[in-house]
Amino acid sequence: SQTIHQWPATLVQPVGSPLSLECTVEGTSNPNLYWYRQAAGRGLQLLFYSVGIGQISSEVPQNLSASRPQDRQFILSSKKLLLSDSGFYLCAWSVNLQGSGNTIYFGEGSWLTVV
Amino acid sequence: DAKTTQPPSMDCAEGRAANLPCNHSTISGNEYVYWYRQIHSQGPQYIIHGLKNNETNEMASLIITEDRKSSTLILPHATLRDTAVYYCIVRPSRSSYKLIFGSGTRLLVRP
Repeated sequence: SQTIHQWPATLVQPVGSPLSLECTVEGTSNPNLYWYRQAAGRGLQLLFYSVGIGQISSEVPQNLSASRPQDRQFILSSKKLLLSDSGFYLCAWSVNLQGSGNTIYFGEGSWLTVV
Repeated sequence: DAKTTQPPSMDCAEGRAANLPCNHSTISGNEYVYWYRQIHSQGPQYIIHGLKNNETNEMASLIITEDRKSSTLILPHATLRDTAVYYCIVRPSRSSYKLIFGSGTRLLVRP
């Protein structure tokens, strides 16, 4: 069966510091991968998605970037965090059917607090 | 913007069926209805999805009206662990990469 893991689970970082959140998927090949963010009391917002290694699409302009160095690895980064980057970050995956999406499954989430 | 309307909160007694409604009056013919739930401080959990026909799996049943303008998620025997926020989502197509979450329904299962 497929599993998704992301870490760290919680993170407290000072303003201006870098960020790296990592996500890996097991049990599937060539998945679509996603990063979502949920700000406090708000809905989920799609940040990035990837349909293959090195292929990243950004949904909203922001202080963050994503990379996919390996088939089942997805990394969310920032060079300098802002207070507004605080939130609950979720990695997700779906089966890649000839470029089409499918049911999206979410990881456990990472709580980021920028202070 | 989300294309669905859900009541902000509901409650039911443990062991009874929980019926969560969702309106999606502007749904298009190729759009699926997806249901997720989110327990506090956890990632959303996929429950079920459907296009036209009613669907059932080990977690729940999904009843879609004939005109597809509304649906109901049924948890047949609610437990305390079913307390969560339930999101009804209309997905533009199965090839869409984006899930647009609305505000959902906060379900409280009472002992």
